[in-house]
Amino acid sequence: GQNIDQPTEMTATEGAIVQINCTYQTSGFNGLFWYQQHAGEAPTFLSYNVLDGLEEKGRFSSFLSRSKGYSYLLLKELQMKDSASYLCAVLESNYQLIWGAGTKLIIKP
Amino acid sequence: DGGITQSPKYLFRKEGQNVTLSCEQNLNHDAMYWYRQDPGQGLRLIYYSQIVNDFQKGDIAEGYSVSREKKESFPLTVTSAQKNPTAFYLCASTIGERAEAFFGQGTRLTVV
Repeated sequence: GQNIDQPTEMTATEGAIVQINCTYQTSGFNGLFWYQQHAGEAPTFLSYNVLDGLEEKGRFSSFLSRSKGYSYLLLKELQMKDSASYLCAVLESNYQLIWGAGTKLIIKP
Repeated sequence: DGGITQSPKYLFRKEGQNVTLSCEQNLNHDAMYWYRQDPGQGLRLIYYSQIVNDFQKGDIAEGYSVSREKKESFPLTVTSAQKNPTAFYLCASTIGERAEAFFGQGTRLTVV
């Protein structure tokens, strides 16, 4: 069956680094997305991985291991504005997106 | 600027009433989606459409209906058959195989 697991909530300190993990079991795989969602707002695109390895974009990086069904989002130099939910989504072989429940990240001063 | 527009942002409905949520996009995307989001949960797919005049049920289609008469528009009707409609509704569109989703601002529906 389809399943995407993320931690429900994480807390980190301003200026620090945090890693948000995502494990998945889906019907085929055509890529993995990370989205950021502030409370009451729509998700916004952060990253896309389709090949194994690390994709870096400024303070944010995303890693994928297809053989392990595993990804993580790494946020560096945390800022208060990074307080949000982070959603992992997998694009299945039928090109439908399956969404995780999201990880609420709380940043403390 | 291209984008997806949802309206209204907040909507209140009396029990037993049907309401229609609007979603318009000018991105020239073929595929459009409606998701429902409840607190602490991920996005659940209600309906999707990959071409005009065609749409498919998602995981939680009961109590909802859609139409796709134009490429730009994909309205969602929440019918009185939907027993627990209070939620945040998100419309999205995608293009191509990568299927990166672009979202509207969302509509928060509350039953009063």
